[in-house]
Amino acid sequence: AQSVTQPDIHITVSEGASLELRCNYSYGATPYLFWYVQSPGQGLQLLLKYFSGDTLVQGIKGFEAEFKRSQSSFNLRKPSVHWSDAAEYFCAVGAQGNTGKLIFGQGTTLQVKP
Amino acid sequence: DGGITQSPKYLFRKEGQNVTLSCEQNLNHDAMYWYRQDPGQGLRLIYYSQIVNDFQKGDIAEGYSVSREKKESFPLTVTSAQKNPTAFYLCASSLSGNQPQHFGDGTRLSIL
Repeated sequence: AQSVTQPDIHITVSEGASLELRCNYSYGATPYLFWYVQSPGQGLQLLLKYFSGDTLVQGIKGFEAEFKRSQSSFNLRKPSVHWSDAAEYFCAVGAQGNTGKLIFGQGTTLQVKP
Repeated sequence: DGGITQSPKYLFRKEGQNVTLSCEQNLNHDAMYWYRQDPGQGLRLIYYSQIVNDFQKGDIAEGYSVSREKKESFPLTVTSAQKNPTAFYLCASSLSGNQPQHFGDGTRLSIL
């Protein structure tokens, strides 16, 4: 069965430090992969997506992610974190078939220390 | 300004009552989705619709119903059969299957 695992439930980093959020997926073919961010009480905003092609994907707000097929991973990175990046981050994989269904990880909450 | 509007932002349900959550989009998207979000559980798909007048059950459809009579609207009814309805409900839409989904700001449902 398809699944998405975000191993870190909660991460704390200092402002200005680099960030990496992990995402591992289980999928039988080339996946569609997404990272979303959610501020408290709000909906989800798309940060970036991977469909095919270049395995290093650039997104909004200075985020990037790298698709590594051999490791079944799609980790999110940012070189220098800002206090406004504090939020919950979700990795998602598109389900097989053209249904548009997404399978979400359980999320990683990012706290930023001043 | 295009987007997805969910209303109300907060909703309270009495025991035995059905309530309907509204979701409207002006993005001209074909596909729409309803998710339930509980703390520590990510998002779980309730129902989805790829085209007007058609919809499919997601992973947790029991106790919920939907309709898709218009392209821009996809209301969700939480019925009295849903015994644990307290959650944050998110509506989303996409141009078509496997395209990125755009989300509304959610409705928080609580039990009186």
